[in-house]
Amino acid sequence: AQSVTQLDSQVPVFEEAPVELRCNYSSSVSVYLFWYVQYPNQGLQLLLKYLSGSTLVKGINGFEAEFNKSQTSFHLRKPSVHISDTAEYFCAVIPGGATNKLIFGTGTLLAVQP
Amino acid sequence: EAGVTQSPTHLIKTRGQQVTLRCSPISGHTSVYWYQQALGLGLQFLLWYDEGEERNRGNFPPRFSGRQFPNYSSELNVNALELEDSALYLCASSLRDTYGYTFGSGTRLTVV
Repeated sequence: AQSVTQLDSQVPVFEEAPVELRCNYSSSVSVYLFWYVQYPNQGLQLLLKYLSGSTLVKGINGFEAEFNKSQTSFHLRKPSVHISDTAEYFCAVIPGGATNKLIFGTGTLLAVQP
Repeated sequence: EAGVTQSPTHLIKTRGQQVTLRCSPISGHTSVYWYQQALGLGLQFLLWYDEGEERNRGNFPPRFSGRQFPNYSSELNVNALELEDSALYLCASSLRDTYGYTFGSGTRLTVV
């Protein structure tokens, strides 16, 4: 079964420092990959998505992610974080095929400290 | 453009009761998805509706059910509530065969 692994449950980082949130997926077929952000007491907001084409995907709020097929990874990066980036970040995948079901990882809490 | 709207925002129910949650998708979106976000369990897929039909179902008991109306809005019904049903229930919508949902802000259900 398709799965998504976010190894880091929490990532503390100082303001203006770079950050990378890791995501690995298991799949033997093509997949569509996503990153969502959830601010406290809110729903999920799409940061970026990879469907095809360039493996470097740029999203909102200065985030980007790189699809690496050989390593089955889709890590999220930002060169300089702000306090306002403190939130839960979810990696998700739609396995290639007939289903449109989005499968989420367990989330990574990005805690930006001043 | 209005986003995905969910109602109510918060709800407290007693164990054994029944509850109905509502979702209005973005105008033009025909697919509606329901997810449960329970503490410690992450985001679990519940149901997918498209064009009024149930297309896929997650690993939940039959007391979780729903429907989609001709205007593409949707209801999620949960019967015989249990304490572990306490969670944030998120609805999302999309155009069929496009990828990347838009989520609502959720309904926080507390079962006591």
